[in-house]
Amino acid sequence: GESVGLHLPTLSVQEGDNSIINCAYSNSASDYFIWYKQESGKGPQFIIDIRSNMDKRQGQRVTVLLNKTVKHLSLQIAATQPGDSAVYFCAERENNFNKFYFGSGTKLNVKP
Amino acid sequence: EAGVTQFPSHSVIEKGQTVTLRCDPISGHDNLYWYRRVMGKEIKFLLHFVKESKQDESGMPNNRFLAERTGGTYSTLKVQPAELEDSGVYFCASSQRGGEKLFFGSGTQLSVL
Repeated sequence: GESVGLHLPTLSVQEGDNSIINCAYSNSASDYFIWYKQESGKGPQFIIDIRSNMDKRQGQRVTVLLNKTVKHLSLQIAATQPGDSAVYFCAERENNFNKFYFGSGTKLNVKP
Repeated sequence: EAGVTQFPSHSVIEKGQTVTLRCDPISGHDNLYWYRRVMGKEIKFLLHFVKESKQDESGMPNNRFLAERTGGTYSTLKVQPAELEDSGVYFCASSQRGGEKLFFGSGTQLSVL
């Protein structure tokens, strides 16, 4: 499997601002992507997912964008709150095998 | 509904000792996965069970690691003998049969001194 990488290991934003967390993947065969949030002392929690036949998906305050041309995934968080502070992981799944490859994570710090 | 539970939450052992980690998946979940995160790096796949069968163990680092899931319920991951580089957080995740979304436990922080 090929690795998933992140552009920025740490991101600091002001409370109320929007956050954008980026992720690059290298396996063009990946068909499904998930963003996970990991708070201190907890396991990764599902935030939002997107399939390779889509380029955008919205949830509550979160949006995931997928650009297959450049193999790039991003997570946008609107009106970032202190509770959003965590490490965010993107994960890709290769070709319908339920095996996920994770990036190294981006730490999001929300400043009050 | 109880989530994925892992025990212990922390384990500190000396090099050469044996440690056994346990994972209880969500009831009814056929798929069970072990992942590991070492030194702030990416979360790496170790292996995948479907019920009691090992579907994919391509991520297991070496033969010091042994995973079992007898009866297709809980799983154990034994490291024997432990080495310094085995330190990290070991996550267990489960999903329904045919399910895509993985539900993770809180992990076991393993420190090998």
